[in-house]
Amino acid sequence: DAEITQSPRHKITETGRQVTLACHQTWNHNNMFWYRQDLGHGLRLIHYSYGVQDTNKGEVSDGYSVSRSNTEDLPLTLESAASSQTSVYFCASSESRGTKETQYFGPGTRLLVL
Amino acid sequence: DQQVKQNSPSLSVQEGRISILNCDYTNSMFDYFLWYKKYPAEGPTFLISISSIKDKNEDGRFTVFLNKSAKHLSLHIVPSQPGDSAVYFCAASASRGYQKVTFGTGTKLQVIP
Repeated sequence: DAEITQSPRHKITETGRQVTLACHQTWNHNNMFWYRQDLGHGLRLIHYSYGVQDTNKGEVSDGYSVSRSNTEDLPLTLESAASSQTSVYFCASSESRGTKETQYFGPGTRLLVL
Repeated sequence: DQQVKQNSPSLSVQEGRISILNCDYTNSMFDYFLWYKKYPAEGPTFLISISSIKDKNEDGRFTVFLNKSAKHLSLHIVPSQPGDSAVYFCAASASRGYQKVTFGTGTKLQVIP
């Protein structure tokens, strides 16, 4: 079965360190997204990609970067981790088929920045 | 400024009864609305959606109602089952494509056996 996975599931890091969260999907979807979920904010879009070599900034992109070298993977990098980036991070993918587009989410990565 | 609001952080309902989850939005440009369900330690899963050209959409036990004049939508679950216990997120978009989706803060539903 096709799926979307994230690793690690839990991560503790220190302020100032570079951190990369992995996202891998086997749906063969062109569209991939990264969100963060914080209490009182719902899910907020960090970055998204419509295909290989395409990346776009979302609502809360400062301090984050992504790269898309193949269809399956969209790693999220925190260049210099800050305590404000402590959050739960969700990766998602989607494909448009006519008027129907369904988005599938990964299980999340819980990140703690000390 | 929260454009999509779920004012009830939690809701408890008896098994077999109706669960009604509410969502309000402020952006009149929103024309596509979605509900997601999220279990602990899992990602959200798509539940049901509605376009602004409709005022109701049904899928089994789940029905979403849209009142555009009031900028209000609601999710009805009938009958409620213990497995429905989860956090429900309302989301809205001004165009197709998930890059434009704004999520609410979620309502935690507990269905009591």
